[in-house]
Amino acid sequence: QKEVEQNSGPLSVPEGAIASLNCTYSDRGSQSFFWYRQYSGKSPELIMSIYSNGDKEDGRFTAQLNKASQYVSLLIRDSQPSDSATYLCAVNKQYTGNQFYFGTGTSLTVIP
Amino acid sequence: NAGVTQTPKFQVLKTGQSMTLQCAQDMNHNSMYWYRQDPGMGLRLIYYSASEGTTDKGEVPNGYNVSRLNKREFSLRLESAAPSQTSVYFCASSVIGGRAYNEQFFGPGTRLTVL
Repeated sequence: QKEVEQNSGPLSVPEGAIASLNCTYSDRGSQSFFWYRQYSGKSPELIMSIYSNGDKEDGRFTAQLNKASQYVSLLIRDSQPSDSATYLCAVNKQYTGNQFYFGTGTSLTVIP
Repeated sequence: NAGVTQTPKFQVLKTGQSMTLQCAQDMNHNSMYWYRQDPGMGLRLIYYSASEGTTDKGEVPNGYNVSRLNKREFSLRLESAAPSQTSVYFCASSVIGGRAYNEQFFGPGTRLTVL
């Protein structure tokens, strides 16, 4: 079983719509959760981190964590063409030497 | 702060050649990592160093060695490059303990081609 699973997409949404990205993880011992954005040919860029159950909002981005169901989601409101990228979900387990485990990413295209 | 820096940005090797990828961070992070990224495979951990003086294998360590030179620097060495090691290599760092989030930050990457 993979540590982190994401729907690879591609996901297409029209400009101005809400994009919803989902991720599940297998280890209940996972402690911290992250969303990275990666543009083609670039390195992953951290956009959201969440530690506690519930929602965390930062601008147009909202991360949601549900530890009981072992899923993390990212909502992007008012999607812009510049949001077109691959989004990587990651989890951190400090008790494994502070390792991070990544999903394979979801490709998002925002259509003007 | 430069964050995480990597050298070189691009490299072409012939099969059997050796090389070292360099990584440095100026964020006073304890932990450092080397990943490779291949199309459709996501990020795969090669080696990591949870703290200065320690290194551990990740998911795909074969063909690689690492050195945690000091708290700032973590190098990755390919002793005898193979075409299967053609990939994009990312170095990353994170803090351990203390802050709840332990956020991880990436360098710009090295694109390596082995002919």
